[in-house]
Amino acid sequence: DTAVSQTPKYLVTQMGNDKSIKCEQNLGHDTMYWYKQDSKKFLKIMFSYNNKELIINETVPNRFSPKSPDKAHLNLHINSLELGDSAVYFCASSQGPAAGNTIYFGEGSWLTVV
Amino acid sequence: AQTVTQSQPEMSVQEAETVTLSCTYDTSESDYYLFWYKQPPSRQMILVIRQEAYKQQNATENRFSVNFQKAAKSFSLKISDSQLGDAAMYFCAYSFPYGGSQGNLIFGKGTKLSVKP
Repeated sequence: DTAVSQTPKYLVTQMGNDKSIKCEQNLGHDTMYWYKQDSKKFLKIMFSYNNKELIINETVPNRFSPKSPDKAHLNLHINSLELGDSAVYFCASSQGPAAGNTIYFGEGSWLTVV
Repeated sequence: AQTVTQSQPEMSVQEAETVTLSCTYDTSESDYYLFWYKQPPSRQMILVIRQEAYKQQNATENRFSVNFQKAAKSFSLKISDSQLGDAAMYFCAYSFPYGGSQGNLIFGKGTKLSVKP
C-alpha cells in the first residue's frame, strides 16, 4: 500500500487553465505538506497543514490554494496556470510538525504548462 | 537565514567503492535535525538517514553513514560498497527546530551520483 499517494502523476495543461492535484496519506499522520521541485531540481516548501489547519505558508502566489478536508487529505488547486508553474509537486506527511519527525514524500505530480 | 549547501553538483564512484557527499549548512540554532534524501530517476524522495544535532554519535544505516561535525556545520554522507542502485540525486536537508517554520525542510541543491559498473 502506498503511504502517500497523489494524483495525477502526470498533467499537461494549457496556460490559463485551473487544475487540482489530490493527495492522501494512510500513515495516520497529523501533518501534511506540499513541496515544489523546479526544473533545476530545487525543492522548496509551499504549504504545511497540521490537523487540517494551515501552519506554513511560504511566499506562494494566491493562485495556489491548498485545501485539507481532513487530516489524511491535502489537495492543491492552482488557478490561471502559468508557464512558470511547470514543476514536480510533491505531497508529503509527517507524524507531527515537530522538527524531529521524518517527512515521507509521495511520488510527485509532474505538471507541464504549455 | 538558514541555508544548506551541497558543493558537488555531480559525483561518480566505481561499483563496490566508497564515496562521500558533502553538505554544509548555516544556522544559529543549537538543536535541529539533518537529513539525507535520495531521489532516483523515478523522482520518489526516499529518506536515507537522519541525524539529531544534540547527538554526538554519527548516524548509520547499513552502508550509509554520516560524518556530523557540528562546530563546522558539516554533514557529509558516506556510501560504502556502492551499488548500481545507489545512482540518484542526493539531497541534504535541514529541519527547523521550532517556530513558525518548525518541521519545514530546507534542501540543498542536490548532488547527482553516478555509479560505474
